[in-house]
Amino acid sequence: DAKTTQPPSMDCAEGRAANLPCNHSTISGNEYVYWYRQIHSQGPQYIIHGLKNNETNEMASLIITEDRKSSTLILPHATLRDTAVYYCIVNFGNEKLTFGTGTRLTIIP
Amino acid sequence: DTEVTQTPKHLVMGMTNKKSLKCEQHMGHRAMYWYKQKAKKPPELMFVYSYEKLSINESVPSRFSPECPNSSLLNLHLHALQPEDSALYLCASSPFGLGTADEKLFFGSGTQLSVL
Repeated sequence: DAKTTQPPSMDCAEGRAANLPCNHSTISGNEYVYWYRQIHSQGPQYIIHGLKNNETNEMASLIITEDRKSSTLILPHATLRDTAVYYCIVNFGNEKLTFGTGTRLTIIP
Repeated sequence: DTEVTQTPKHLVMGMTNKKSLKCEQHMGHRAMYWYKQKAKKPPELMFVYSYEKLSINESVPSRFSPECPNSSLLNLHLHALQPEDSALYLCASSPFGLGTADEKLFFGSGTQLSVL
């Protein structure tokens, strides 16, 4: 039972903002939206997470809609090193983190 | 030290061999995880230890045997594996015990296992 829906793939030009959408229409009130990414043959890397408010850190920004049914991860100035599979995950916290199929983001030079 | 270290990075074993994968973290984290990832698929949860006790076993076959000797170390003992068990095995940790809200996981780089 997939909790999130993401496009299977996206391209973005180097230096531009990459906007990755995620739908999570069945999210519960105490569940957070997490984003991880996995660069080829490496372990997943935490990017950002949020509950209701928009969040920003040194890697990315997370925009969550007011009804919390969807969100967007923004990489403000994409580089070639941002090419990876990006996973949007809805979870209470550290319990049974379950990965969906994610979005394969390719940064084009 | 903010890393989860997995050894070995690569392992080739026969179906009759016994081997172990090792995972270490020195961040004082209290929950540790094993994930399995087949090629071009997302990671799948296998086991979770919380405060050194096995808390979740996702119906993993008994040929995989986890062990948590102390709060910094997690092992995965392998015995009589099948070729279909070939995969990337990922270890992760998180600061507090299982069921903590607002928590994130830190992953190691994984062990690429090939079973011949």
